[in-house]
Amino acid sequence: EAQVTQNPRYLITVTGKKLTVTCSQNMNHEYMSWYRQDPGLGLRQIYYSMNVEVTDKGDVPEGYKVSRKEKRNFPLILESPSPNQTSLYFCASRRRPGQPSDFRGYTFGSGTRLTVV
Amino acid sequence: SQQGEEDPQALSIQEGENATMNCSYKTSINNLQWYRQNSGRGLVHLILIRSNEREKHSGRLRVTLDTSKKSSSLLITASRAADTASYFCATDAGVGNTGFQKLVFGTGTRLLVSP
Repeated sequence: EAQVTQNPRYLITVTGKKLTVTCSQNMNHEYMSWYRQDPGLGLRQIYYSMNVEVTDKGDVPEGYKVSRKEKRNFPLILESPSPNQTSLYFCASRRRPGQPSDFRGYTFGSGTRLTVV
Repeated sequence: SQQGEEDPQALSIQEGENATMNCSYKTSINNLQWYRQNSGRGLVHLILIRSNEREKHSGRLRVTLDTSKKSSSLLITASRAADTASYFCATDAGVGNTGFQKLVFGTGTRLLVSP
């Protein structure tokens, strides 16, 4: 089954303790992205990657890092989490832009609910 | 930066009625997409309309796009209790001359369909 898999689904951690949220897709998609979702603010993009070793900042990158060493994986790293990073996080992927005839939208993971205390 | 604004923020209807949600955006786009999210779950892609299209149908869904007004609407006909969810519009646009594209979401409409 074509899917984006995030882990963990739920995580409670303490301020300052480094953590990584993993994201993996099995569709050979070039493009991957991380979003956070907060009440009243909708989904905001954190980082995105157009391909292996190509990443760029989204709208709210502060406090986050990403890496794209392999095409299928796009982990989100919080080096020193703070309470304002408590949120619901989503990873998404799509085929490379420029293939509009068969583009069917982005595929999202099921989300990671992070609480930083 | 938030690209899309949706209206209404919340909508409550009875089963069998139609639900209409509107989305406005700010810049030129390649396409506009609508997603559905059940409470706290992942987003599911519903329908995509390209910038050169004006209307599209998929089952009980009808999407319109007016690029001159930078707006779109999603109509769900003959709604069911199972349609209860949040609905988001998202615009897919190029980022400068980089060849990158970026998906930017609206704030969503919460739809409640009562039996």
